[in-house]
Amino acid sequence: TQLLEQSPQFLSIQEGENLTVYCNSSSVFSSLQWYRQEPGEGPVLLVTVVTGGEVKKLKRLTFQFGDARKDSSLHITAAQPGDTGLYLCAGGPGTYKYIFGTGTRLKVLA
Amino acid sequence: GAVVSQHPSWVICKSGTSVKIECRSLDFQATTMFWYRQFPKQSLMLMATSNEGSKATYEQGVEKDKFLINHASLTLSTLTVTSAHPEDSSFYICSARIAGGPVQETQYFGPGTRLLVL
Repeated sequence: TQLLEQSPQFLSIQEGENLTVYCNSSSVFSSLQWYRQEPGEGPVLLVTVVTGGEVKKLKRLTFQFGDARKDSSLHITAAQPGDTGLYLCAGGPGTYKYIFGTGTRLKVLA
Repeated sequence: GAVVSQHPSWVICKSGTSVKIECRSLDFQATTMFWYRQFPKQSLMLMATSNEGSKATYEQGVEKDKFLINHASLTLSTLTVTSAHPEDSSFYICSARIAGGPVQETQYFGPGTRLLVL
């Protein structure tokens, strides 16, 4: 069974601080996606990474796919209260389905 | 573009009744749709993969006779929770992948359906 472990599980920080969320697996993924989910809503895609070592930036968010395509990280610079939410990584194992990570719940305090 | 809707957005039912949840791709065709379940403060758990015109593929531990999936058209998949019990109360989310896209093609999520079984 393929598993995606995210760390930390919970994170509460002050506005303006930086943070990094990790997504790790022992399996290789053909692609990996990051989502943010608000309470009572479906996940919203932030980014898809497909190449080992790939780095993508989305404003204050930086995403990196590990060289071996087994792990990924999400770094947020100068976090804002609007960044609060559940962050989920999801790996595509090459078949027609994605495996979701365990999730990281972020709360940014004003 | 690439909007997925779910209906209803929430439902309350009595134990023992059946509940049908619809997942529609509004502006694209989806040969593959996925059904997830999410319990409070937890991640999404894939229940089944729904393929248009064929039987759904269920994940290990998911009862196919309890969670009936029908993908009758390229824009509609339904999940029926049969004889629902309180432990089936959860947030059910579907996603759809654009037909003909590569394996890495983005899946688009619906807004979810909250089910409460009394």
